[in-house]
Amino acid sequence: SQQGEEDPQALSIQEGENATMNCSYKTSINNLQWYRQNSGRGLVHLILIRSNEREKHSGRLRVTLDTSKKSSSLLITASRAADTASYFCATGTGANSKLTFGKGITLSVRP
Amino acid sequence: GAGVSQSPSNKVTEKGKDVELRCDPISGHTALYWYRQRLGQGLEFLIYFQGNSAPDKSGLPSDRFSAERTGESVSTLTIQRTQQEDSAVYLCASSLAAGLNQPQHFGDGTRLSIL
Repeated sequence: SQQGEEDPQALSIQEGENATMNCSYKTSINNLQWYRQNSGRGLVHLILIRSNEREKHSGRLRVTLDTSKKSSSLLITASRAADTASYFCATGTGANSKLTFGKGITLSVRP
Repeated sequence: GAGVSQSPSNKVTEKGKDVELRCDPISGHTALYWYRQRLGQGLEFLIYFQGNSAPDKSGLPSDRFSAERTGESVSTLTIQRTQQEDSAVYLCASSLAAGLNQPQHFGDGTRLSIL
């Protein structure tokens, strides 16, 4: 079963705009991670936020976590055409770092 | 350094045949994970290894699926008597340890097509 549900399913923006993607989950977590997947490739880890953290930054990426609402958001600022990809949130639970992934968000950045 | 390597990158086989998929994790990574990704879907967890042991096989869809890992390194995922619904991309990932808060590093997957 899938724990993370991303929203929207697809997003199309102009280069230079910001992209905001949301993820909701159902059970308590140890951490929440965001990954990017380019077509035909594996997933690339972007950022990990622990359950006791509320916000984290990495370059043009900003992730927030609201454990009371069981939700997270990923913000990509000043988007580029190269950001075009599918983005997945994954929740880590238990002691073995097993990740449960959502279905992903398809982001298209128009040049 | 080298990332996670999977082979073959593509596999086409007839229904009923057995297939073996290989994963070479990042050197020194003790945890190894197998996932299945159907077209347009997220990832389904199949199995994870800590060292050569598999504490969690809960995601294996049927007894036709098995996996092993040797030398705390290479892992093979075997699917026996393949069915058309086994068609998917099979992704392998490794992490430094199977502890809390570890990112996973993925290979590019094996795209399996069952005719």
